[in-house]
Amino acid sequence: GDSVTQMEGPVTLSEEAFLTINCTYTATGYPSLFWYVQYPGEGLQLLLKATKADDKGSNKGFEATYRKETTSFHLEKGSVQVSDSAVYFCALNSGGSNYKLTFGKGTLLTVNP
Amino acid sequence: DSGVTQTPKHLITATGQRVTLRCSPRSGDLSVYWYQQSLDQGLQFLIQYYNGEERAKGNILERFSAQQFPDLHSELNLSSLELGDSALYFCASSVAAKNYEQYFGPGTRLTVT
Repeated sequence: GDSVTQMEGPVTLSEEAFLTINCTYTATGYPSLFWYVQYPGEGLQLLLKATKADDKGSNKGFEATYRKETTSFHLEKGSVQVSDSAVYFCALNSGGSNYKLTFGKGTLLTVNP
Repeated sequence: DSGVTQTPKHLITATGQRVTLRCSPRSGDLSVYWYQQSLDQGLQFLIQYYNGEERAKGNILERFSAQQFPDLHSELNLSSLELGDSALYFCASSVAAKNYEQYFGPGTRLTVT
């Protein structure tokens, strides 16, 4: 079945540091890939997505590239801010007749000033 | 604000009881998804409805049921509650049944005592 593996947290960085959160997946077919972010006490917000191989999703300075050869979708940001502190979830939807999102366990990011 | 609303925000109840969680999708969205977020299981897909009909089922217990009404709002019914049912329950919506972008509500936090 589908599965998503993302790096265990927590990740603690100083402001303006470079961020990478690794995500790899197992899926049948050609899934769409997503990063969602959950700020404290809130629901999940779609951060970015990519629907086919080599697509790059980007939003708010975050980027992730769909790498089919390595089944990866790593999240990166060049310079994090305190306001980026949140839990980040990698997710996939393998389409077909199953429309559910399969999530990784989440990575807690804390950015210190 | 995703446009998806969920009520109530918090719910505290005793074991053996039954509760109903409510979700209103974004305007124009026909598909509703329910997810459970717990510390041990992470984010798990429960069930999906599209325009009033059940479309996909995930790890939903037999004690749980859902429905989507003609006005497209959805309710998740949880019965014979156990301590292990304590979790955050999220509703998400999308335009179509086969639409990869899902928008999440703020969640209902259920505590079973």
